[in-house]
Amino acid sequence: GENVEQHPSTLSVQEGDSAVIKCTYSDSASNYFPWYKQELGKRPQLIIDIRSNVGEKKDQRIAVTLNKTAKHFSLHITETQPEDSAVYFCAASTRGSTLGRLYFGRGTQLTVWP
Amino acid sequence: NAGVTQTPKFQVLKTGQSMTLQCAQDMNHNSMYWYRQDPGMGLRLIYYSASEGTTDKGEVPNGYNVSRLNKREFSLRLESAAPSQTSVYFCASSEVLRIQPQHFGDGTRLSIL
Repeated sequence: GENVEQHPSTLSVQEGDSAVIKCTYSDSASNYFPWYKQELGKRPQLIIDIRSNVGEKKDQRIAVTLNKTAKHFSLHITETQPEDSAVYFCAASTRGSTLGRLYFGRGTQLTVWP
Repeated sequence: NAGVTQTPKFQVLKTGQSMTLQCAQDMNHNSMYWYRQDPGMGLRLIYYSASEGTTDKGEVPNGYNVSRLNKREFSLRLESAAPSQTSVYFCASSEVLRIQPQHFGDGTRLSIL
């Protein structure tokens, strides 16, 4: 099955700086890559997603890039704010499986210091 | 719209006890999922239901059973709880199985003593 690895596991940045979280996947048939944000004690919430026919997608301060050849995708947060502090999860969905189920990375704890 | 609703929010069980976690969605989604979340482990799929009337095992199904009661409801049952099943359980749903974002409930925090 698919294997998604996520780095770093923790990330601390100063308010206003940029943050980058990287994920790699193993199955070249994967074609959908969502990112979830989970605040402490809350549910994971989708913040952005990208499909394999697109190389980059932006939504205000958040962007995701996808390199299908290298099988990695990244989350970029610019002008970070303290409210960006949370755990971020990447995931991949492979059409090669029986389901297109999501495989999650282990998460990155992002802390933004004021 | 409530989205995905899970009950209960918290539960403490003794080893060997049984219980059922309830999940309901009001978004008319076809697919539903149960995950467990443990520190440092991300979200691991326990069981899923592609559509009403079907269920399949995910990554960590041992010790669990599920029922897709109707299109709205998907329950997770622990027949004989073990301390290793102490975790936070999330239910999620998506419009269809493939290439669709999943919407999560608030989670059930389950402790087994």
